[in-house]
Amino acid sequence: GENVEQHPSTLSVQEGDSAVIKCTYSDSASNYFPWYKQELGKGPQLIIDIRSNVGEKKDQRIAVTLNKTAKHFSLHITETQPEDSAVYFCAASMRGNEKLTFGTGTRLTIIP
Amino acid sequence: GAGVSQSPSNKVTEKGKDVELRCDPISGHTALYWYRQSLGQGLEFLIYFQGNSAPDKSGLPSDRFSAERTGGSVSTLTIQRTQQEDSAVYLCASSLGGASGNTIYFGEGSWLTVV
Repeated sequence: GENVEQHPSTLSVQEGDSAVIKCTYSDSASNYFPWYKQELGKGPQLIIDIRSNVGEKKDQRIAVTLNKTAKHFSLHITETQPEDSAVYFCAASMRGNEKLTFGTGTRLTIIP
Repeated sequence: GAGVSQSPSNKVTEKGKDVELRCDPISGHTALYWYRQSLGQGLEFLIYFQGNSAPDKSGLPSDRFSAERTGGSVSTLTIQRTQQEDSAVYLCASSLGGASGNTIYFGEGSWLTVV
């Protein structure tokens, strides 16, 4: 089955700086890669996703890049703000199967 | 409601007792998922329902765990003879279903503590 690895497990950045979180996946059949943000005591919320026919997608301060050859994808957050502090999860699913396999999460802390 | 609704939000139970956790998916969503999240850990897949198809139960950790989905809507996750290692947040999610790439929406979770 699919295996998703995520790094780093914790990340602290100064407010206003950029944050980058990286994930790798094992199954070349995977074609959908969402990123979720989870705040304390809440369920995960989708913040951005990318499909395998696209190399990059951007939504305001958030961007995701995908390298299908290397089987890795990354989340980039620019101009970080205190409200960006949360746990971020990457995930992958494959064609014909909606079930998501998640990475182990990154706890992002923005230092004011 | 507008989102995935789960109940109870918190449950404390004694070791050996059975518990039932309920999930009400977003209206019109044919796919429903249960995940488990242990303290500080990632999300572990448990079970997936898609329409009238047989559920994917490949993630259930033991035969003490079971789930049903009645009428293609509400789902109940049942844990029999609970153990302390069952303590976790149980997250339900739903999507439109049918193909990879549909957005999966999560509920707030049911926090289960087994004492």
